[in-house]
Amino acid sequence: DGGITQSPKYLFRKEGQNVTLSCEQNLNHDAMYWYRQDPGQGLRLIYYSQIVNDFQKGDIAEGYSVSREKKESFPLTVTSAQKNPTAFYLCASSREDLKFSPLHFGNGTRLTVT
Amino acid sequence: GQQLNQSPQSMFIQEGEDVSMNCTSSSIFNTWLWYKQEPGEGPVLLIALYKAGELTSNGRLTAQFGITRKDSFLNISASIPSDVGIYFCAGRGNAGNMLTFGGGTRLMVKP
Repeated sequence: DGGITQSPKYLFRKEGQNVTLSCEQNLNHDAMYWYRQDPGQGLRLIYYSQIVNDFQKGDIAEGYSVSREKKESFPLTVTSAQKNPTAFYLCASSREDLKFSPLHFGNGTRLTVT
Repeated sequence: GQQLNQSPQSMFIQEGEDVSMNCTSSSIFNTWLWYKQEPGEGPVLLIALYKAGELTSNGRLTAQFGITRKDSFLNISASIPSDVGIYFCAGRGNAGNMLTFGGGTRLMVKP
C-alpha cells in the first residue's frame, strides 16, 4: 500500500540538541511539506518542496532546516535555534500534475524537548 | 496572509444528533477541503470541493462550498461515537498550491 511514513512516532531530546525527523513517501508525489501542530491551533507550514533539490520556506521556518535529495524523502531538522520545539510534526505530500491535489498526511512525530 | 476562522472550536453532543461546523475566510478561495484527525494520527481527507456552490456528500457527511467563495460548511448527520476527533477545514487561494488551515473543531460524542 502507498503512503507516507514518519518516524519515529515519539522523540525526546534535551534542549540545545539538533534532531532530525524522517518522512518517506512511496506515492510518487512530487511535492512534500512539513507542518507543525500545537494544541488548539491549526496546522502551520514550516517548509515545502515541489521538486527534488529545491525547497521553500513556509510561514514558520525559523529554527528549522530541510533537504530534498530524493523524491521519496524530505527530512526535517529541528535545530537548537528553534525557541519552542516541543510540538506535533506532520509531513504531507501531494501530486503537482493536477489542477489541485489534496494533501496526504503521515501519522506525525511528537517531539518533546526538555 | 490569508486567514481562516473555523467555528465552533469544540462541540460536545449526544449520539444521534446532527453536527454543523463552518469556516470563513477574509479572502476568496478556489478550493475547500475538510479533514478529520484522530488522536495521535495525521489528518485524513473527508471531502474536497472545487466549485462555488458545490454540495458534496460522503456517507453521513455533507460539505458545501459557499457561493461567495469565502466560506464552507460541514454537516454530520446522526453522529456516532467514532465521529470523535478534530475536524479541520483548509482552503487554497490563488497563491500556488499552498493550503491555509482553520484552527479545528474538536467533536466529542456522548454515547
